[in-house]
Amino acid sequence: QITLKESGPTLVKPTQTLTLTCTFSGFSFTTSGVGVGWIRQPPGKALEWLALIYWDDDKRYSPSLKTRLTITKDTSKDQVVLTMTNMDPVDTATYFCAHDNCSGGSCEFDYWGQGTLVTVSS
Amino acid sequence: DIQMTQSPSSLSASVGDRVTITCRASQSVSNYLNWYQQKPGNAPKLLIYSTSSLQSGVPSRFSVSGSGTDFTLTISSLQPEDAATYYCQQSYSIPWTFGQGTKVEIK
Repeated sequence: QITLKESGPTLVKPTQTLTLTCTFSGFSFTTSGVGVGWIRQPPGKALEWLALIYWDDDKRYSPSLKTRLTITKDTSKDQVVLTMTNMDPVDTATYFCAHDNCSGGSCEFDYWGQGTLVTVSS
Repeated sequence: DIQMTQSPSSLSASVGDRVTITCRASQSVSNYLNWYQQKPGNAPKLLIYSTSSLQSGVPSRFSVSGSGTDFTLTISSLQPEDAATYYCQQSYSIPWTFGQGTKVEIK
């Protein structure tokens, strides 16, 4: 059974760097094709895709946030870390990590973490 | 970026009604189109992937038609548990993008 869980600070100050960790079970980056993505959702708003990392360390970023985002993985710990620099109040959102399933040719987020609300405020 | 536009933004329907939600892409996404259901306070749940494949456990009252740029999610007989916000998402090209969501309410 695949599970994911996000962890990190609930409150960050403007200009600070946010570091979020996604800890998962039920799959491993040692398996070809495995990917984990980050998606966020401001309160009352739509979902926004942020970044993806794959088993082979291929990384993809949202172009609009690329200069602020870094995604890494720790295969031994079954974790993915997302860092976002220069946080602003508009970055206040629930941040989700999700398992990216590309086994059928197309890709979709088939398992999601519960999400973690990050508030940016001084 | 490929823009995904959903319509309507919200709708209210009665139990048993047939409900349709449209998702339009600003350019072709082939069949790389997924749908998610999100209930308040919960993470999104994958409903349909690759345009028309139902995720395991999803009731058969959910179906999708379309390809290229225009897609329609249909709930054949709306049930109380279907009250949620529905999002389409393309995985054809980076950045993957979501529609703005359609909120479905039960009358």
